[in-house]
Amino acid sequence: GAGVSQSPRYKVAKRGQDVALRCDPISGHVSLFWYQQALGQGPEFLTYFQNEAQLDKSGLPSDRFFAERPEGSVSTLKIQRTQQEDSAVYLCASSLARDRPYEQYFGPGTRLTVT
Amino acid sequence: DAKTTQPTSMDCAEGRAANLPCNHSTISGNEYVYWYRQIHSQGPQYIIHGLKNNETNEMASLIITEDRKSSTLILPHATLRDTAVYYCIVRVTGNQFYFGTGTSLTVIP
Repeated sequence: GAGVSQSPRYKVAKRGQDVALRCDPISGHVSLFWYQQALGQGPEFLTYFQNEAQLDKSGLPSDRFFAERPEGSVSTLKIQRTQQEDSAVYLCASSLARDRPYEQYFGPGTRLTVT
Repeated sequence: DAKTTQPTSMDCAEGRAANLPCNHSTISGNEYVYWYRQIHSQGPQYIIHGLKNNETNEMASLIITEDRKSSTLILPHATLRDTAVYYCIVRVTGNQFYFGTGTSLTVIP
């Protein structure tokens, strides 16, 4: 079956530009997570949704980062006024139920390069 | 602060068992241990999780010490496709996972 998809797979942005990264979770998955992965590091938690509710955004590094999931399915991570330190792979994951957050299914990620 | 400690890298001969250790000395009584792996240029993949009993599934076995301060992930017959970074994770709070830097496992033909 279809897994988690993310688009675009690669994005190059000039410093100061706004970007929007899309995540299509597995159909029916209640929970959705965003992570940031710098080169050579493990993924770092950004934010978590249960359906359309953003229950945890403690990992967002600054107020330039904003995530939404208005209808409880597709999610968008927006980064305003991008900086070079925002260059990373942005991973989206979904899981079936609130009580099984351990079994997260990850997408392939979006590699963002800020020049 | 780091919740787990893993070796940076390991090698394993193809067909042999790969034993990946993890220390989690500050784990609390109700925290699970989770293992994920990440093959190059892909998103992480769930492998297994456990609380205090040993667990086995079609991918791997998880051995947790009695004091729960460490665990070992065992891939019984490693193949070249098992070359990946393996993350041992203790859930931090709520649904927030701390991945750390993991162990880079190289399976050698």
